Amino acid sequence: DARVTQTPRHKVTEMGQEVTMRCQPILGHNTVFWYRQTMMQGLELLAYFRNRAPLDDSGMPKDRFSAEMPDATLATLKIQPSEPRDSAVYFCASGAQGPAQHFGDGTRLSIL
Amino acid sequence: QKEVEQDPGPLSVPEGAIVSLNCTYSNSAFQYFMWYRQYSRKGPELLMYTYSSGNKEDGRFTAQVDKSSKYISLFIRDSQPSDSATYLCAMTGNEKLTFGTGTRLTIIP
Repeated sequence: DARVTQTPRHKVTEMGQEVTMRCQPILGHNTVFWYRQTMMQGLELLAYFRNRAPLDDSGMPKDRFSAEMPDATLATLKIQPSEPRDSAVYFCASGAQGPAQHFGDGTRLSIL
Repeated sequence: QKEVEQDPGPLSVPEGAIVSLNCTYSNSAFQYFMWYRQYSRKGPELLMYTYSSGNKEDGRFTAQVDKSSKYISLFIRDSQPSDSATYLCAMTGNEKLTFGTGTRLTIIP
């Protein structure tokens, strides 16, 4: 069963440190999404790519967040510098044709 | 007001009961309507999606969309303890999904 793979699954770090989260989309999927999930806000779209090109990053705080797709099998989300309010679960999802998006199991991030 | 409203629950029902989960929305541009299931410490898992108004059935699950009322439902028949999870509705008019906040469901054996 094809799955989206995210690493690391858990990350605890101190405020001010750089955080990098990685995502391997399902092979053949050309659209990749980054979401953040918190109790207060639920699931929020941060950014998404099609064929490795960024299409929309309007949900992302651009002063500290950056998202890239170095190749078709890897998407990254970086936070620098990290802040306690960035603590959340970050999900990557991928899709092909149509609206269906398939999620990974997330990176649980805690910023102390 | 949020574009998608979903009762957060929690909702507890006995095993075997029929479960009804609902969302309302305000954006008339939404065309695709989805239901995701999320277990604790896991990612959302797509259960089913429908296009425009109507019903769709998949095993014990039935999704209904009423665009005139801007109201969608998910019914679970013969509910099982393994159905205990958070259920998220999601919808889109293009490819950016807008999610409800999720309903936490517990099936009591």
